[in-house]
Amino acid sequence: QKEVEQDPGPLSVPEGAIVSLNCTYSNSAFQYFMWYRQYSRKGPELLMYTYSSGNKEDGRFTAQVDKSSKYISLFIRDSQPSDSATYLCAITNAGKSTFGDGTTLTVKP
Amino acid sequence: DTGVSQDPRHKITKRGQNVTFRCDPISEHNRLYWYRQTLGQGPEFLTYFQNEAQLEKSRLLSDRFSAERPKGSFSTLEIQRTEQGDSAMYLCASSLAGDGEQYFGPGTRLTVT
Repeated sequence: QKEVEQDPGPLSVPEGAIVSLNCTYSNSAFQYFMWYRQYSRKGPELLMYTYSSGNKEDGRFTAQVDKSSKYISLFIRDSQPSDSATYLCAITNAGKSTFGDGTTLTVKP
Repeated sequence: DTGVSQDPRHKITKRGQNVTFRCDPISEHNRLYWYRQTLGQGPEFLTYFQNEAQLEKSRLLSDRFSAERPKGSFSTLEIQRTEQGDSAMYLCASSLAGDGEQYFGPGTRLTVT
């Protein structure tokens, strides 16, 4: 079993929809929780970063962490075609990040 | 802030050849990481440095792989005697020590024929 499991998708939604992306993890020692966006053949771009349970909001993006359930989510409000990409969750302990395999999102105009 | 840069962006090589990639981190970041990513998978950790010290190496990093960061600034990743299974995107990231925020470069795409 992988240390970080991500809902595989792919996900296709109409423009304006609310998107929910989810990951679970198994190692309680994980300290930092991140979401990255990756366009085809590009490096991952850091979207959200948090280290505590609860919600963190940045514009249309909300990252949610539930350490008791070992569950993290990323919500995208008012999704746009430009949000179409692969989203990766990443969880870090002692410098090393473990990534999910990504969820590919398509937002249709 | 110019971000993390990697060179080359693409490399095609024949099986058995050696290749070397370079990563220049964000200037004030003292941690530097190497990851490998194959199609449909998330990045897999290979190794990381704090300044010039290599602090951890993954079991994925076979004896054909070596990474250096001689002056605590840029880093190189060398693959000796490349195999077709080495074909992947090699990603570099950097961060401040103790900071979980890792910033990635554009990657080097390696194709071994």
